[in-house]
Amino acid sequence: SAVISQKPSRDICQRGTSLTIQCQVDSQVTMMFWYRQQPGQSLTLIATANQGSEATYESGFVIDKFPISRPNLTFSTLTVSNLSPEDSSIYLCSVEDREGDRVRNEQFFGPGTRLTVL
Amino acid sequence: LAKTTQPISMDSYEGQEVNITCSHNNIATNDYITWYQQFPSQGPRFIIQGYKTKVTNEVASLFIPADRKSSTLSLPRVSLSDTAVYYCLVGDYRGGATNKLIFGTGTLLAVQP
Repeated sequence: SAVISQKPSRDICQRGTSLTIQCQVDSQVTMMFWYRQQPGQSLTLIATANQGSEATYESGFVIDKFPISRPNLTFSTLTVSNLSPEDSSIYLCSVEDREGDRVRNEQFFGPGTRLTVL
Repeated sequence: LAKTTQPISMDSYEGQEVNITCSHNNIATNDYITWYQQFPSQGPRFIIQGYKTKVTNEVASLFIPADRKSSTLSLPRVSLSDTAVYYCLVGDYRGGATNKLIFGTGTLLAVQP
């Protein structure tokens, strides 16, 4: 299993500013994922981040709004840019589970970052 | 990735067995069925995964009929701490074929004393 931490756990931001969320894993992982969970809703995948390559974004999400960095195998950041109240959500990162070279079929999630935009 | 349909909410009492059914009529041959649990203010947690028939672990059982168009998550003797949202996901997750998890609406299970 993997232990994932996120920073900050929560933040309140002003409209038009940006927030960078950090995701730290206690082991090396190839793929990391970023999700958004709006209040009372399910999770929506934002993008997949592989170390050493550009992130792959899902439909409806663009790099200018959600730039992602993946500098090494244990760390990633998601920036939510030009904030508006509609960006108020919980943002979660997750990682795949590996046993050596084999990818197992479950993912581990961080605790989430609760963002409120005023 | 196959779309899933599950009840929005369910109520139960402590000690009862709870069965949550998920419909996935368009499931593909290589798709697996996976269930996640999410407590308030936490990320989802993997519960169980199966392909066909029955799978059981220390937490739950998963029943999958022969046509695989639905599945049932069974939680034995629930307690208050089982109050959570339960998500049914369907996809080809073998060995990294695709690692993307597509979450449906989920079922909010409320367990009462």
